[in-house]
Amino acid sequence: NAGVTQTPKFRVLKTGQSMTLLCAQDMNHEYMYWYRQDPGMGLRLIHYSVGEGTTAKGEVPDGYNVSRLKKQNFLLGLESAAPSQTSVYFCASSYFTRRSGNTIYFGEGSWLTVV
Amino acid sequence: EDQVTQSPEALRLQEGESSSLNCSYTVSGLRGLFWYRQDPGKGPEFLFTLYSAGEEKEKERLKATLTKKESFLHITAPKPEDSATYLCAVQADNYGQNFVFGPGTRLSVLP
Repeated sequence: NAGVTQTPKFRVLKTGQSMTLLCAQDMNHEYMYWYRQDPGMGLRLIHYSVGEGTTAKGEVPDGYNVSRLKKQNFLLGLESAAPSQTSVYFCASSYFTRRSGNTIYFGEGSWLTVV
Repeated sequence: EDQVTQSPEALRLQEGESSSLNCSYTVSGLRGLFWYRQDPGKGPEFLFTLYSAGEEKEKERLKATLTKKESFLHITAPKPEDSATYLCAVQADNYGQNFVFGPGTRLSVLP
């Protein structure tokens, strides 16, 4: 059981280049999220999805796009990378039950540097 | 304005020296408060969920408590392997299925 898997783990981009971060979860979770983590700022929500085919904006969505074509995958795209997007990106997924509420599980992170 | 804050920012303890970390929140309609542990270079690892004031959860040397305005993570007789950043997060009525995270407390336990 792999949980939440992110690829790639490390990437260096030049300003203006595009790339896609891939996230896959094998826990059959409905909800998926992309966060970025910067020193002193904590985890900030970029985009999220409440189910296959749905996406919504989080706290810091500008410069990013997402897609959730399959329930187990959530893709984060950078169309034209900027140095301000240098960060660690975490994908997460969660499920809800009446008994135990909502619990979010994270991937191992993707380190992105834009030069 | 909804906020999640954590204190202290960093904490150094000697092995065996018990202490507490604080997570304060100002949200309306709290649906859950979550504690995570994050090791350097890793993703956050789930520890506890608390849902209502007065609730307590324990796991090994860690105990989490919740009041109407804050949560404490008590660490009893810590060991060097407890060194990590501890994050709290809240889920509230205004956030739907989203979670809002605090900035974390960096804990170092010295042997």
